[in-house]
Amino acid sequence: QSVLTQPPSASGTPGQRVTISCSGSSSNIGSNYVYWYQQLPGTAPKLLIYRNNQRPSGVPDRFSGSKSGTSASLAISGLRSEDEADYYCAAWDDSLSGSWVFGGGTKLTVL
Amino acid sequence: QVQLVQSGAEVKKPGASVKVSCKASGYTFTSYAMHWVRQAPGQRLEWMGWINAGNGNTKYSQKFQGRVTITRDTSASTAYMELSSLRSEDTAVYYCARAPKEWGRGYYYMDVWGKGTTVTVSS
Repeated sequence: QSVLTQPPSASGTPGQRVTISCSGSSSNIGSNYVYWYQQLPGTAPKLLIYRNNQRPSGVPDRFSGSKSGTSASLAISGLRSEDEADYYCAAWDDSLSGSWVFGGGTKLTVL
Repeated sequence: QVQLVQSGAEVKKPGASVKVSCKASGYTFTSYAMHWVRQAPGQRLEWMGWINAGNGNTKYSQKFQGRVTITRDTSASTAYMELSSLRSEDTAVYYCARAPKEWGRGYYYMDVWGKGTTVTVSS
């Protein structure tokens, strides 16, 4: 089963801009939308970005998503302490009979 | 507001089955699908399957095919996930997530998630 690849960790200081990458393949990111989820410690995932770069209502515009080929990125600008969380990318994978695949998660630390 | 309330933690012995429920409120239950996703300790999120709450059609991950059954009760706005032949590796937090259709694509994505149900498999 395909999986998506993310760096295990990222960090930044308050006010900085950080980016988190997500690498996939032609059967997932290359041919379908990318979604990003934020998981604060001990809580359920929350949808941050859908359809590569769309924000649900209530998500600050400090969060932005992009996609190019078989890779995607999540950018967080004006970093705040409450952004410290795990971030997961996800995409539908068309291989075999189809399945959702997730990245391994990136733990963001605000220094 | 949209809420998904899941059933409480479960402790099961290897070989047993577990059934987790997810009661939806704040939206029209039959207008969406419902996903089930699990997260083992320290592991990535893992998709198990979905059910179209309107017509009851299901799609399962090949990894869990034959071991997982997802059902729904429209009168109770509740979805269920049953996993059988439990083993220690099934110890995880199990989440339900509301699933809007991605129009023009053959899949549903996950927007609102339940708080999760911890299932522990131990002898």
